[in-house]
Amino acid sequence: KAGVTQTPRYLIKTRGQQVTLSCSPISGHRSVSWYQQTPGQGLQFLFEYFSETQRNKGNFPGRFSGRQFSNSRSEMNVSTLELGDSALYLCASTTGLDEAFFGQGTRLTVV
Amino acid sequence: DAKTTQPTSMDCAEGRAANLPCNHSTISGNEYVYWYRQIHSQGPQYIIHGLKNNETNEMASLIITEDRKSSTLILPHATLRDTAVYYCIVRVGGAGSYQLTFGKGTKLSVIP
Repeated sequence: KAGVTQTPRYLIKTRGQQVTLSCSPISGHRSVSWYQQTPGQGLQFLFEYFSETQRNKGNFPGRFSGRQFSNSRSEMNVSTLELGDSALYLCASTTGLDEAFFGQGTRLTVV
Repeated sequence: DAKTTQPTSMDCAEGRAANLPCNHSTISGNEYVYWYRQIHSQGPQYIIHGLKNNETNEMASLIITEDRKSSTLILPHATLRDTAVYYCIVRVGGAGSYQLTFGKGTKLSVIP
């Protein structure tokens, strides 16, 4: 079966801009989570969506937001980009019971 | 979720067993031990999880102590492709929110 697909794979944005990242989960998975990975802070949980509702949220400012569509696809948005938002953004999908499947990530560079 | 403690790094000779320890002394009765690994710049990959019994799958074995305060992930015959950062994570089981709290993990280097 197809894995978790994240688009785009690489992105370069300028400070102050906004960006939208997309994640297509494995078919049948209703839970989609987002993580940010930086060299300094490691892997940090951003938020989780389940059946189009945000079920959990990490400790990130309101500039980070997300949504989930009826087909379980999810997007995350970062507004007013800062240099510190440069990171690998990872999406994971799961049925919610056992293992989570991660995508290859979107590498965001803010200049 | 309970906090975990892992060594920063470990080396293992190719073909030998890699034993990666993890301490989770504050684990609760309904918390499972999960192991994920991340090969450089890729998304994390699930390896195995367990509650209190030892578990084995095609990738690894998980040994959990009787008091559940620590566990060991065993890769029986390490290969160069097993070089990665290994994360031990504790989370509440069941169908609730699926949030993984990653620590710094153990960087395993498999040496030829």
